[in-house]
Amino acid sequence: GAGVSQSPSNKVTEKGKDVELRCDPISGHTALYWYRQSLGQGLEFLIYFQGNSAPDKSGLPSDRFSAERTGGSVSTLTIQRTQQEDSAVYLCASSFGTSGRRLGREQYFGPGTRLTVT
Amino acid sequence: AQTVTQSQPEMSVQEAETVTLSCTYDTSESNYYLFWYKQPPSRQMILVIRQEAYKQQNATENRFSVNFQKAAKSFSLKISDSQLGDTAMYFCALDPGRNSGGSNYKLTFGKGTLLTVNP
Repeated sequence: GAGVSQSPSNKVTEKGKDVELRCDPISGHTALYWYRQSLGQGLEFLIYFQGNSAPDKSGLPSDRFSAERTGGSVSTLTIQRTQQEDSAVYLCASSFGTSGRRLGREQYFGPGTRLTVT
Repeated sequence: AQTVTQSQPEMSVQEAETVTLSCTYDTSESNYYLFWYKQPPSRQMILVIRQEAYKQQNATENRFSVNFQKAAKSFSLKISDSQLGDTAMYFCALDPGRNSGGSNYKLTFGKGTLLTVNP
C-alpha cells in the first residue's frame, strides 16, 4: 500500500508568517509522530498521537507550535509567527502503535517537508 | 533517559567492499528495540534493519547485518558488497519498548553517519 505522504515538499515563508504542514499516515496505523531535523543534526521528537488518546506534546519547542490529528488519520503541524530558527526538515512517521506487538514498533517515515524561513 | 551515540560522522568505502558503522546506546529498559535507518539525499528515511533486545541472534537483511552486543550496549551495522545506492546518512535509533504511557515510545536517534560508496 501507499506509504506516509507529506505536503508540501518544500515551503519557503517569511519570518512572522504562519505555516501548516500536512501528514497522511499509512492506512491502519494508529500512531503518528512528528520530528524535526535541523541541518547536521539527528531527529528531534516533537509530538505523538496514539488513537484517540490525548497527544504527547512534550517535544514541542514553543507555544508557537501545535498539531492536530483529525479522525485518527491526517495530521497537521502548525507553526505560528515563524522564526528563522524554525528552518528545518519536518518529518512525519506512523506505526501500528505501541501496543507492544513485536511487529508493530517500527516507524515508517514520510519524505518530509523542508521549511525555510527567510 | 535514553542516549544513542554514533561516533563516526563520516565514512567512505569502495564499491563491493564491506563497511561497519558503529553505534552505542544507553537505556535502563530491558525489552527495547534497536533500528538502523537510512536517509539518502531524497530525504526519505528508510528502515534498514531491526533488532529486539531479547533476541540473542543478530538480525540480518540481505547485505545488511548487525553485531548486537547487549552487555556492551553496542549495535553496529555491517554492509557487505557495498553498492553506490548505499550512499546515504545512516541513523541508529533506540525504542525503549515499554508499553506504559509517558515518553517511552519516542525513538531516540543518534546524530548519524554519512556513508559514501565510491566507484
